Amino acid sequence: DQQVKQNSPSLSVQEGRISILNCDYTNSMFDYFLWYKKYPAEGPTFLISISSIKDKNEDGRFTVFLNKSAKHLSLHIVPSQPGDSAVYFCAATSGAGSYQLTFGKGTKLSVIP
Amino acid sequence: KAGVTQTPRYLIKTRGQQVTLSCSPISGHRSVSWYQQTPGQGLQFLFEYFSETQRNKGNFPGRFSGRQFSNSRSEMNVSTLELGDSALYLCASSLSSGAGSQYFGPGTRLTVL
Repeated sequence: DQQVKQNSPSLSVQEGRISILNCDYTNSMFDYFLWYKKYPAEGPTFLISISSIKDKNEDGRFTVFLNKSAKHLSLHIVPSQPGDSAVYFCAATSGAGSYQLTFGKGTKLSVIP
Repeated sequence: KAGVTQTPRYLIKTRGQQVTLSCSPISGHRSVSWYQQTPGQGLQFLFEYFSETQRNKGNFPGRFSGRQFSNSRSEMNVSTLELGDSALYLCASSLSSGAGSQYFGPGTRLTVL
């Protein structure tokens, strides 16, 4: 049973527009969520995180929104740039200090110049 | 500062053999985590070590084991290899302040024939 789901395997967006990547989770024990970006032949790179005590966290062009009642989070990238083209993974865990992450299967974002 | 290094980068084994993968964390990092990435299951947490002690373990059979040395370098071992063990094995290191501080290595691509 997949506890973290990214239902869109791929997403294409025009350069300069907003990219919205979605993630759903089922485990109520999850209280800390992270987004990672992965380029081919490289390991994932941490992008941004959010604790369940917040509903929004911003870092430059990246914003993560958390809707606890819907068990849904989203990553917004504004404006999207060609260098953002990568696979994005959503991950969840219990406790910000934990390393035992449960990942979604990823969404491949293509930003078209 | 050098990043997380993993050796070897590519490996081909046959069913029934065993394999040992190595991970050298970023200097000063004491936590090392291992993940398996497959097309079907995505990224899955294997285990995490801190100061030579396994702190957390994912839902994998006992054929998967690991250890950490006093210099924080870590190895993972898979015995009696199965075809389904073909995957990208990722190692991540951290200063021990949670998953958001993890830096991933490029991974070892294991193919089991």
